[in-house]
Amino acid sequence: GDSVTQMEGPVTLSEEAFLTINCTYTATGYPSLFWYVQYPGEGLQLLLKATKADDKGSNKGFEATYRKETTSFHLEKGSVQVSDSAVYFCALVGGGSEKLVFGKGTKLTVNP
Amino acid sequence: DARVTQTPRHKVTEMGQEVTMRCQPILGHNTVFWYRQTMMQGLELLAYFRNRAPLDDSGMPKDRFSAEMPDATLATLKIQPSEPRDSAVYFCASAVGISGGRNQPQHFGDGTRLSIL
Repeated sequence: GDSVTQMEGPVTLSEEAFLTINCTYTATGYPSLFWYVQYPGEGLQLLLKATKADDKGSNKGFEATYRKETTSFHLEKGSVQVSDSAVYFCALVGGGSEKLVFGKGTKLTVNP
Repeated sequence: DARVTQTPRHKVTEMGQEVTMRCQPILGHNTVFWYRQTMMQGLELLAYFRNRAPLDDSGMPKDRFSAEMPDATLATLKIQPSEPRDSAVYFCASAVGISGGRNQPQHFGDGTRLSIL
């Protein structure tokens, strides 16, 4: 079945550092790909998405590019802030499905 | 901003008791999802509805869990009897869905943190 694998972390960075969180997927057909963010005590919020190969999703300084050849959707940010501290989830909806499949999540802590 | 509302936010109860969790989806969203989040299993889809009809509940333990949508503004998830292994955070999400097509992105509530003693 469809699956998502992401680096589990935790990841600890200093403010203004560069962030990469790796995400790879296995899916039949042509999935849509998502990054969700979860702040402490809250639900998940959609951060960005991409629906076809080579699409780049971006939001709040975060970016991820849908790479079909490597089945990857890595999340990047050039300069992280303390307020970016959260858990980040990579997810997909497979072709022919309506159900989100999540990775395990990566906890990011950014120190001042 | 429109939000998905879940109640209660926290629930502590003893094993064997009935637990009911409620969700008010965003107005106009016709698809509702129930997820469970634990440290060990991560996020698991329990069930989802479109236009109040259950589409998939294969992720839900049938013997003790039940999910319903009495009306378009309320979804419920019940556990009876509850067990300690049910302790988790339960999330509701809603989306605009098109039959046979892809849903628009899901909007999550803040969850119900359930502890079964």
